[in-house]
Amino acid sequence: LAKTTQPISMDSYEGQEVNITCSHNNIATNDYITWYQQFPSQGPRFIIQGYKTKVTNEVASLFIPADRKSSTLSLPRVSLSDTAVYYCLVGDSGGSNYKLTFGKGTLLTVNP
Amino acid sequence: DAGITQSPRHKVTETGTPVTLRCHQTENHRYMYWYRQDPGHGLRLIHYSYGVKDTDKGEVSDGYSVSRSKTEDFLLTLESATSSQTSVYFCAIAASGYEQYFGPGTRLTVT
Repeated sequence: LAKTTQPISMDSYEGQEVNITCSHNNIATNDYITWYQQFPSQGPRFIIQGYKTKVTNEVASLFIPADRKSSTLSLPRVSLSDTAVYYCLVGDSGGSNYKLTFGKGTLLTVNP
Repeated sequence: DAGITQSPRHKVTETGTPVTLRCHQTENHRYMYWYRQDPGHGLRLIHYSYGVKDTDKGEVSDGYSVSRSKTEDFLLTLESATSSQTSVYFCAIAASGYEQYFGPGTRLTVT
């Protein structure tokens, strides 16, 4: 099961682009990389998922280098409402019915 | 938002009593999951289901049992609640893959 490492916390300011990097050195060939966002007193919310190169949706972009040992979640022009915990997960692809293992995540604080 | 509800939303119970939490979905998704979240530990998977009557253990399954007799309901039972099971419990559903939709959570306090 691939483990992930990401910063405990990050600070930013409104309007800035924020990049959160996650390392997953032991990622397996069939594993996907998934990011979730969690606000206080709420369940996590799916943000984006990718396998390689770049994925973009209306919320974020996900950059994955060729070796797939890391990934970077990019949030463009953050606002105060983006203050949340962000989780990087690598899917357990060993025929285990899409189990996810959440780490402690990165607490992103956006300041005015 | 995905059609997923949890009941009760808050519960206080005494040590040694049985407790059942209910997760209900209207999405007809195949996969359902129960997590607990505690300060300093993040979310941890308790049990999950990949179909009616098909369940398996997660990383913190001791002291918990689950049942899924129909697609829309996934029940989590604490056979004899202990103070260490005080936590926030989240249910999640997924059609396939890793895009899970989470419920609003149940805050359980065991005194």
